[in-house]
Order: sequence, then structure tokens, then C-alpha cells
Amino acid sequence: ILNVEQSPQSLHVQEGDSTNFTCSFPSSNFYALHWYRWETAKSPEALFVMTLNGDEKKKGRISATLNTKEGYSYLYIKGSQPEDSATYLCALVSGFKTIFGAGTRLFVKA
Amino acid sequence: DTEVTQTPKHLVMGMTNKKSLKCEQHMGHRAMYWYKQKAKKPPELMFVYSYEKLSINESVPSRFSPECPNSSLLNLHLHALQPEDSALYLCASSQGMGGDEKLFFGSGTQLSVL
Repeated sequence: ILNVEQSPQSLHVQEGDSTNFTCSFPSSNFYALHWYRWETAKSPEALFVMTLNGDEKKKGRISATLNTKEGYSYLYIKGSQPEDSATYLCALVSGFKTIFGAGTRLFVKA
Repeated sequence: DTEVTQTPKHLVMGMTNKKSLKCEQHMGHRAMYWYKQKAKKPPELMFVYSYEKLSINESVPSRFSPECPNSSLLNLHLHALQPEDSALYLCASSQGMGGDEKLFFGSGTQLSVL
């Protein structure tokens, strides 16, 4: 059974703080790693799809890195804003299956 | 149109009822998925359809019956559910089943089984 672990489970930061969270996964059977952002009462939306060891992706103030050899990915948010408050899910693609972690719930206080 | 539409948004049903969840997308995606999520847990894969054929069934009990009548629609038929089946049911689609294909999600159906 493939296990995707995310930490921390939740995080409270002040507006303007930079923050990061971790996604850990088994390094064998890796095909791709996805990050999704899920705001309350909305649909999860894809942030990044990463496939190569050493991949770095950036979208505005949010960036992600990938280490497939050691089985982890980091998501960074620079200068957090209240609108960044959401659950951030990572998902491992292995074979034809996309396996999710439980997410990191981010609260950004103005 | 980059939306995946799920109906209903909320559903309450008894253990003897039969109901259906519906999912629709008009992006021309050929893969569609059902996930089940309980509070504070990861979304769990239930079924995957590729080109309207069931390609993955994650050992889901037969009281859940998926159907893909055409490339835009995905249904999940529910019968004789148990209270522990209460959860958020998410539908998703992707262009294909390659690992670099991101998933597009609906906003889910919150199901309560009494």
C-alpha cells in the first residue's frame, strides 16, 4: 500500500510570513508528484505537476521542489496572504493511480 | 469550460434507499475518477474510467456501482449503504491517464447515510 505523508497537519501563520510544508512518499514506483490547493467549499485545483528529480516549479509566490531519490517534496509560500488559506494536498502518481496525502491545512491571519 | 460539475451537492439517504451521484465534464477528457474522502483523511481512490471503460476498481463494495454512459458523464449508483459510507464523494477528470496529467475536480457531493 502506497503511503503519502504530509506535515504539518495544520499551520497558523501571520500575513506576510513565509512558510513551507512537506510531502513524503515511497521513492520506488514514482511516476509524478502533484500539488493541489483546496479552498473551503470549492474544488481542489492543481498547482504543480512534477516528474523529474530536482524539479522546481513556481507560480507567483508559491513554489515547489522535488527529490525523488529520497522521496520528498516541499511547497513554499512566500509572504503569505489571507487568500492563501486553504488545504494543500500532495498526490503521488504510481502506475495509473493518483494517491493523496491528507493535506496541510494553512490558516493565514491578517 | 474547465469545470467538473457534480450533483447533488448534498444528499441524505436511508440504508434502504437507492440514489445516484452525477458528474459531468465538457473538456473532452478521457479519464474520469471517483474519490471518497472522510474528514481529515486523504481522498481515497474508488474507481477510474478510461475511454468509458472501467480500468481500476479499488476493491470497492458492490453497494457502490459506477457507470460511464458517455465520455462526458460519470455516475455513481448507491444502494443499501451503511452509515460508515457517509463522506464527501469527489469526481475528477483528466485528459488521459498519464502521470503528468493533472486532475480537474468537482466540488463534491456530501453524503450522509442514516
